[in-house]
Amino acid sequence: DAGVTQSPTHLIKTRGQQVTLRCSPKSGHDTVSWYQQALGQGPQFIFQYYEEEERQRGNFPDRFSGHQFPNYSSELNVNALLLGDSALYLCASSLVGGKEGYTFGSGTRLTVV
Amino acid sequence: GIQVEQSPPDLILQEGANSTLRCNFSDSVNNLQWFHQNPWGQLINLFYIPSGTKQNGRLSATTVATERYSLLYISSSQTTDSGVYFCAVDSLGSNYKLTFGKGTLLTVNP
Repeated sequence: DAGVTQSPTHLIKTRGQQVTLRCSPKSGHDTVSWYQQALGQGPQFIFQYYEEEERQRGNFPDRFSGHQFPNYSSELNVNALLLGDSALYLCASSLVGGKEGYTFGSGTRLTVV
Repeated sequence: GIQVEQSPPDLILQEGANSTLRCNFSDSVNNLQWFHQNPWGQLINLFYIPSGTKQNGRLSATTVATERYSLLYISSSQTTDSGVYFCAVDSLGSNYKLTFGKGTLLTVNP
């Protein structure tokens, strides 16, 4: 049973560029959440998608946007990259409402130079 | 929003020792999970434990929801147990997101 798959694993971008990160949820899960983890910190919630709609959003600017596809996979887009966007981006999947808990992928490490 | 506090922030053990990690939270929760983050960044789910006690090998966890805390026990620690342990919760009022504590950095020396 495949877990949560994220791509790419590492990425280097220049300030001002745009980036798209991808996530495939665990088989049987229908909800995808995205988190940002800065070095030495705990993950911070960005947003959650269910039924192709954003259900809730954390304290992140509109430069962060997302999408969920009919097969439940998801993308995270970040526009106008800043140096401060450098972080590990984690995708988590779950059943709706977080029943039985969340499963995390290995993350995408984004470096903005 | 809900607050999550983990203690201790850092813990250094000799291989074979036992340890207890604590997580306090400020509101009633719908979900509580313990994770181990490996050196490559992946969050490994250890326990989904909004209440009660569970055991998995050398690890066990207890959540006392009425008193708003959870404990993670590691027995006979091994060097491979090293890493950061996170407690994460979602509150009954907002079961769409996990709020993480700052983690406990565990170092197990041979």
